[in-house]
Amino acid sequence: SQQGEEDPQALSIQEGENATMNCSYKTSINNLQWYRQNSGRGLVHLILIRSNEREKHSGRLRVTLDTSKKSSSLLITASRAADTASYFCATSRPDKLIFGTGTRLQVFP
Amino acid sequence: KAGVTQTPRYLIKTRGQQVTLSCSPISGHRSVSWYQQTPGQGLQFLFEYFSETQRNKGNFPGRFSGRQFSNSRSEMNVSTLELGDSALYLCASSPGRGTYNEQFFGPGTRLTVL
Repeated sequence: SQQGEEDPQALSIQEGENATMNCSYKTSINNLQWYRQNSGRGLVHLILIRSNEREKHSGRLRVTLDTSKKSSSLLITASRAADTASYFCATSRPDKLIFGTGTRLQVFP
Repeated sequence: KAGVTQTPRYLIKTRGQQVTLSCSPISGHRSVSWYQQTPGQGLQFLFEYFSETQRNKGNFPGRFSGRQFSNSRSEMNVSTLELGDSALYLCASSPGRGTYNEQFFGPGTRLTVL
């Protein structure tokens, strides 16, 4: 069963707008990772945030982690049409990654 | 460095057959994990291999098996295929064991069972 639940399931925005995706999980974690998937292809790693970190930035990406609420958010600023993809959070247990249900982001030019 | 490669990219089989999928990790990576992705169940962990040993296994029947070779390449086998085995099978490699670091995914093998 999947541990992570993502919200919203789908998101449509215009180019230049910001996109925020949320992820909730159930048990303690070592770290939380965000991945992007384009049209049923392989996953691309975006960012990893460790359990003792609260915020992390990478280019136009900003990830926050609140271990007390067991939640994380991914913010994509100034979105582009090329950001159109599915985004998954994955919680890291020692033995495996447990993926969330994903958010489908559509960015219109 | 070349990325993770998976072969074949597409596969069509019929119920009852068996199938073998192959994954070549990034050079120097010793851990290979396999995941199944379906519209209904999402991304689910199958197993992880490290140094030719299966370290962890997900909640899948014994029809799903795998192995890892001394060069870290891995194969996954599914016997007695069922319609529900139709899925995108993804492998991921990382330098060390477990998931403390990012996983590098291959493009996947799309298996269709008729």
